Amino acid sequence: NAGVTQNPKFQVLKTGQSMTLQCAQDMNHNSMYWYRQDPGMGLRLIYYSASEGTTDKGEVPNGYNVSRLNKREFSLRLESAAPSQTSVYFCASSDAQAGQGNHFGDGTRLSIL
Amino acid sequence: GDSVTQMEGPVTLSEEAFLTINCTYTATGYPSLFWYVQYPGEGLQLLLKATKADDKGSNKGFEATYRKETTSFHLEKGSVQVSDSAVYFCALSSNDYKLSFGAGTTVTVRA
Repeated sequence: NAGVTQNPKFQVLKTGQSMTLQCAQDMNHNSMYWYRQDPGMGLRLIYYSASEGTTDKGEVPNGYNVSRLNKREFSLRLESAAPSQTSVYFCASSDAQAGQGNHFGDGTRLSIL
Repeated sequence: GDSVTQMEGPVTLSEEAFLTINCTYTATGYPSLFWYVQYPGEGLQLLLKATKADDKGSNKGFEATYRKETTSFHLEKGSVQVSDSAVYFCALSSNDYKLSFGAGTTVTVRA
């Protein structure tokens, strides 16, 4: 029972480097999400994909792009990393609507120097 | 817009003590309410939820009641264990696809 799988689990980047965070779910969920978690701020939604082929901005989309590659996979890309993007990134999925609750991956811990 | 306010931590308790974590919200319409738990080094897990007023969500000895009149969804457990040490997040969804989270409350239970 894999659920939501994120790769990599840890990464250190230099300012200006680019990187793609990978996420895949095996629960046949329609909706997928990317959040960032920062101390004292809870989780903030970066982007989400309500269904395959659609993506929408969340609360903090600046500096990020996403791709819903297929129903299973939803990637997050940092084109030019900045120290302010140091965070823990969580991918989540849900069965159609967030009102059913999100299923989360274990996170990617990203440090930008 | 939607927002969630939960009590600040950290909270430190002894085993078998009573735990309450306060959560209040601001939202349009009739949101669904959630409590998530995050154990060290892991992602968030759904602990319990309630989808309409006066509903009580419960799981693993935790309970929370959706109080529309006070816009609250306080989490309670009557007798905590060391294994309940974690970060607890209150969240709401009033839009089909978005969750709004509180800042999280760190709970440490000592033997």
